[in-house]
Amino acid sequence: DTAVSQTPKYLVTQMGNDKSIKCEQNLGHDTMYWYKQDSKKFLKIMFSYNNKELIINETVPNRFSPKSPDKAHLNLHINSLELGDSAVYFCASSAVRSGALHFGNGTRLTVT
Amino acid sequence: GDSVTQMEGPVTLSEEAFLTINCTYTATGYPSLFWYVQYPGEGLQLLLKATKADDKGSNKGFEATYRKETTSFHLEKGSVQVSDSAVYFCALPGGSNYKLTFGKGTLLTVNP
Repeated sequence: DTAVSQTPKYLVTQMGNDKSIKCEQNLGHDTMYWYKQDSKKFLKIMFSYNNKELIINETVPNRFSPKSPDKAHLNLHINSLELGDSAVYFCASSAVRSGALHFGNGTRLTVT
Repeated sequence: GDSVTQMEGPVTLSEEAFLTINCTYTATGYPSLFWYVQYPGEGLQLLLKATKADDKGSNKGFEATYRKETTSFHLEKGSVQVSDSAVYFCALPGGSNYKLTFGKGTLLTVNP
């Protein structure tokens, strides 16, 4: 069973469109994250939720909106996509206050 | 704020060579330290961790020792294999939200 699964794996879309990425974890973790990885492999945290409550919100454009319907799911909606949004987006989960994160396999977003 | 600095890559080695990837940290207090590995096309996986000074984390033949006096957590392996080719990230948690901050990653390529 996949521990952290995110869909879709690839997403190709045009500038200005709105898209969503979904993430689910079956590890029973309370904390979930979204990270963005750029073309140089640099990883930057975007958001973190603990038990459906937003606890980390880095400097991310308002076009990015996370939503956690329950503690096993954390989705990411992106409005008005821009070329600079092209990256790999990783969902992850962990127990509370643990640095042992479990990552999904990523969603490669390409904006044309 | 808390941060890690790891050596720039890429690192290219022949099979059975000795590997060192340097990581130094800046932190208030003594946080746990982590190494993650990202194989091509996959998400990050926790490789090893150390929770206090002089602790040695180890896994899959890799080791790293938490050195308080040099604020370092260098990753080592005595004999690398082609299958070790991946990007390696040093990381530490910080802040009240236990946010995990990653280094810039070091690409390792092992040739047969």
